[in-house]
Amino acid sequence: AQSVTQLDSQVPVFEEAPVELRCNYSSSVSVYLFWYVQYPNQGLQLLLKYLSGSTLVKGINGFEAEFNKSQTSFHLRKPSVHISDTAEYFCAVSETSGTYKYIFGTGTRLKVLA
Amino acid sequence: EPEVTQTPSHQVTQMGQEVILRCVPISNHLYFYWYRQILGQKVEFLVSFYNNEISEKSEIFDDQFSVERPDGSNFTLKIRSTKLEDSAMYFCASSRVRINTGELFFGEGSRLTVL
Repeated sequence: AQSVTQLDSQVPVFEEAPVELRCNYSSSVSVYLFWYVQYPNQGLQLLLKYLSGSTLVKGINGFEAEFNKSQTSFHLRKPSVHISDTAEYFCAVSETSGTYKYIFGTGTRLKVLA
Repeated sequence: EPEVTQTPSHQVTQMGQEVILRCVPISNHLYFYWYRQILGQKVEFLVSFYNNEISEKSEIFDDQFSVERPDGSNFTLKIRSTKLEDSAMYFCASSRVRINTGELFFGEGSRLTVL
């Protein structure tokens, strides 16, 4: 079984500052890792995913995440945030070559302040 | 850009009533899913559906729940007799392929409030 922990429920940050949203997972099998974003009144949208290969993954809107197998982490980063990045961010895992039965974290609400 | 659409956006119902949540997946997608999120909690997998049958379901998806693809475009989630604890945001999703190396597309969600 897999589980995902997002330790920060809310992260306030000033515009143009860097941000890191933390995600840790546990699993007894190999997993794929995902970050989804939910803007207000919208559905979840895929930001980026790690399947294999380079541990640094780049996604949309300038976000990137680094897979760290030894620390079982997949933290999301952005060097300079914008007001428009204000949203809820969800980390998720699923078994490799499995189905879309994702295991999600509880989400981190990123609030970008002017 | 193609998208998954869900109706209603918000439904309020009395405990014990039947509720049907509707979804129109992306047209060339073959695999359909329902997830839910109870306020303040994790987004949880409920069920996946392919070729007119359930492929996989979680322990949450008990006999009170059912899914159906009544025509070529709609995908529905029915809750037969709602309970207070069914209050949640329900997300429909669809994918073109079964294997999770692609992308899962989510709708905006239907908020269900059971009184």
